[in-house]
Amino acid sequence: EVELSQSGGGLAQPGGSLRLSCAASGFTFSHYTVTWVRQAPGKGLEWISAISGTAYSSFYSDSVKGRFTISRDNSKNVVELQMDSLRADDTAIYYCAKDEVGSMLHWGQGTLVTVSS
Amino acid sequence: DIQMTQSPSAMSASVGDRVIITCRASQDISTYLAWFQQKPGNVPKRLIFGTSNLQSGVPSRFSGSGSGTEFSLTISSLQPEDSATYYCLQHYSYPRAFGQGTKVEI
Repeated sequence: EVELSQSGGGLAQPGGSLRLSCAASGFTFSHYTVTWVRQAPGKGLEWISAISGTAYSSFYSDSVKGRFTISRDNSKNVVELQMDSLRADDTAIYYCAKDEVGSMLHWGQGTLVTVSS
Repeated sequence: DIQMTQSPSAMSASVGDRVIITCRASQDISTYLAWFQQKPGNVPKRLIFGTSNLQSGVPSRFSGSGSGTEFSLTISSLQPEDSATYYCLQHYSYPRAFGQGTKVEI
C-alpha cells in the first residue's frame, strides 16, 4: 500500500525558514515524481514544486521560485521542501503527492505551515 | 506559463441533476488534463486523468471530455456525496496549474 507520511511545518516568523519532509513507502520510490501542493486557508489548491524520480529535474511555481528548494534522498525514500524567506502568504496546508501518469494520485496527510510574528 | 480558468466558481444543484463543470487552458494542452475532488477537511482525490480516463474506484457517473483548450467534467446524476469542490489541473507542462475550483452544493 502506498503511503506518504509528512512531518515538519508549524509556526515560523516572516523571513524565517522551515523544512517539510515526506516519507514514502509501498512503491519503488526512485521511479516516481513527487509533487508539493499547498492550500491557503479557505482557498484553492496551488501547485508549487515537483522533483523527478532521479532528482535530475526539479520545478517550481513563480510564487516560491528562489525561496523554496525541493530535494530527495532515494536511499531513504524521502522528499524534502526547504522553505526560506517565508512570508505571511505562505501560510497554508502543504501536501506532498506521488505522481502517476503526470498528475497527483497518492497524497500525504498534509501539514500546516503558519507564518506570523 | 499555462493558466487554467474554471467555471462556474460555485453552483447549487439537486440530487439526480446532470452537472457540467468547464475548464479552459490559456494555451493548447492536448488532453493533459486531470480533475480532482476535495471535500472539506479532506485530502484531494483524483477522479480523472488524461481528460477522460476514470481513476480506478471512481463512480461511472463521473466523466471527462475535451481537448486543446476546452474541457469539461460531467456528473451524470448528482448524488449527495458529490457535494465538494472540484479542481482541474493541466499536466501538459511545468509549472503545473490548477483551476480556481468549483464548489458544488446540493
